[in-house]
Formats: sequence, C-alpha cells, structure tokens
Amino acid sequence: EAAVTQSPRNKVTVTGGNVTLSCRQTNSHNYMYWYRQDTGHGLRLIHYSYGAGNLQIGDVPDGYKATRTTQEDFFLLLELASPSQTSLYFCASRGRDSAETLYFGSGTRLTVL
Amino acid sequence: EQQVQQSPASLVLQEAENAELQCSFSIFTNQVQWFYQRPGGRLVSLLYNPSGTKQSGRLTSTTVIKERRSSLHISSSQITDSGTYLCAFMGYKLTFGTGTSLLVDP
Repeated sequence: EAAVTQSPRNKVTVTGGNVTLSCRQTNSHNYMYWYRQDTGHGLRLIHYSYGAGNLQIGDVPDGYKATRTTQEDFFLLLELASPSQTSLYFCASRGRDSAETLYFGSGTRLTVL
Repeated sequence: EQQVQQSPASLVLQEAENAELQCSFSIFTNQVQWFYQRPGGRLVSLLYNPSGTKQSGRLTSTTVIKERRSSLHISSSQITDSGTYLCAFMGYKLTFGTGTSLLVDP
C-alpha cells in the first residue's frame, strides 16, 4: 500500500521560531504537495513539486519555503513562524496521471505561540 | 483563481437515510475526485470521476462537465460515514472545496 509519512505529528513553537516539517513518500510518485487546513478555509495549497529539485508556488506561499531534496522527501520550512501559521498541515503525493489516487499523510498539527 | 464550492456545508441524517452532496467548479473540468476525512484525520480518496456516473459500494458520483458540477450520493448511510467529504479539481495544481460535514445519528 502506498504510504506518505509526516513528522512530527505535533509541534509547538514560539513566534519567530524556525520549524521544519518533513514528508516522505515511498510510492515513487513524481508529484508532492503541502497543504494547510483551517476551519472555514478548507485545504489550501502552499507549495508543490514535480520531482527532486523542482518547486512550484501554491496559493498561500507567504511565510513558507519548501525543498524537494529527493524523489521521496519534501520539506516545508517556516523560518520566522507567526501565530497565523498555527494550522494542520498535510502532505500528499501522486503519480504523473491526474487520474491516479492522491495519498495523504496523517498531518502535522503546528501551534505557534 | 480556480474555485470549488460545496453544498451543503453540513448535513445531519438518521442512520439508513441517503445523502446527496454537491460540488461546483469555477472552470470546466473533467478531473474530479472525492475525498473523506475524519475530524483531524488524513484524507482518503473515495472516487475519481472525470465524467458521467461512477459507483463504489454505497457511493455514487455523477459529474456533468458542461454544467461544471459533480455530486456524491451516499445510500443507506451508516454512523461510520460521519465525517467531512471534500471534492477536488485534479489538475497539475490541486484545488479543494471547503467540504460537507456529515453527521449520521443512530
């Protein structure tokens, strides 16, 4: 079964702190995505990638950086965390064909105090 | 900007009743997928339906491209169906609706 693993599951930091969220997929998928989910806003795309070394900007990129170091690994970086970035973050992956199933990780709940 | 609207925002059913969830898109699309999520849980793909009618167990999705809409019918609802149902436009950039929160009471 295809797998997407996120870490950590929960993270608490202070305003101005640095945070790195990790995502690893073992599906040999080309596409990987970072979303944030907030009540009233649904899932919003932060960044996505077509493959190792590639990065595309999503709909809500401000305050976030991302890096795809390998086919398997996609990281989301918050270099100066703010309370507005308190959210539930999901990573997802899929193959080249848009008809392919999208697989999600279990999410990382981030709290910025 | 691509947008996806879902209705109703929330729905309460008695067990065994049927549910009809709606999704509309701001653009013409043949790449529609439905997902399910328990509160705070991961999203799980239910159905990919580019057009016409697709069925999976008690779930039936109908997508009408020219009307820019898709629906998800849940028959004979069960308590375990409770959760949030999201539709998404599956292009190179995925766009999700805000979801329908379903509660099935015994």
